[in-house]
Amino acid sequence: EVQLVQSGAEVKKPGESLKISCKGSGYSFTTHWIGWVRQMPGKGLEWMGIIYPGDSDTRYSPSSQGQVTISVDKSISTAYLQWSSLKASDTAMYYCARRHCTNGVCHKDYWGQGTLVTVSS
Amino acid sequence: QSVLTQPPSVSAAPGQKVTISCSGSSSNIGNNYVSWYQQLPGTAPKLLIYENNKRPSGIPDRFSGSKSGTSATLGITGLQTGDEADYYCGTWDSSLSAGVFGTGTKVTDL
Repeated sequence: EVQLVQSGAEVKKPGESLKISCKGSGYSFTTHWIGWVRQMPGKGLEWMGIIYPGDSDTRYSPSSQGQVTISVDKSISTAYLQWSSLKASDTAMYYCARRHCTNGVCHKDYWGQGTLVTVSS
Repeated sequence: QSVLTQPPSVSAAPGQKVTISCSGSSSNIGNNYVSWYQQLPGTAPKLLIYENNKRPSGIPDRFSGSKSGTSATLGITGLQTGDEADYYCGTWDSSLSAGVFGTGTKVTDL
């Protein structure tokens, strides 16, 4: 059974750093892209970026580039999303999702349960 | 700000049909496959439709997808109370070199 299990909720202050995780199991972790999606309170889904665990190839959305870092540790089948200096506007639910691709056509077929990040002074 | 536009809400009586539109451009829907996701209140999104019109295992055939030009449509027939959720379209945008989601549509039954 494919599963993506995310780390627990976080409460941080502005300016602090943070790294949240997404552990995959039940499938070949290194041959499927992992994506991160942001959902601000009461708002829609926003595509942040993706990483290919096999070679750490990473792509970011224009709005996420430079704001977050996506990384992976394939030895423990875990992807990460990190911030070096959080802002109040980073308060959101963050989802990871497996990206399944066939002949270059991709979709997100399995999702993690979400990690709520709250940034407040 | 999303590049894919959906109606904010649609509603219908139980048992009736609803359709949700997703409007984009040649850089996204026009030249890429579309997926649809259902997000029930307080839960993670779930894949409903992929590659424009394919359903994953376990998704009932009451849900259907189609694409024409730069727009896509999700259809739900025999609307049930359990279908009340937010629905999002998604695709790749070749100009942005990034994925994009629609603005989202809330489905409610009357």
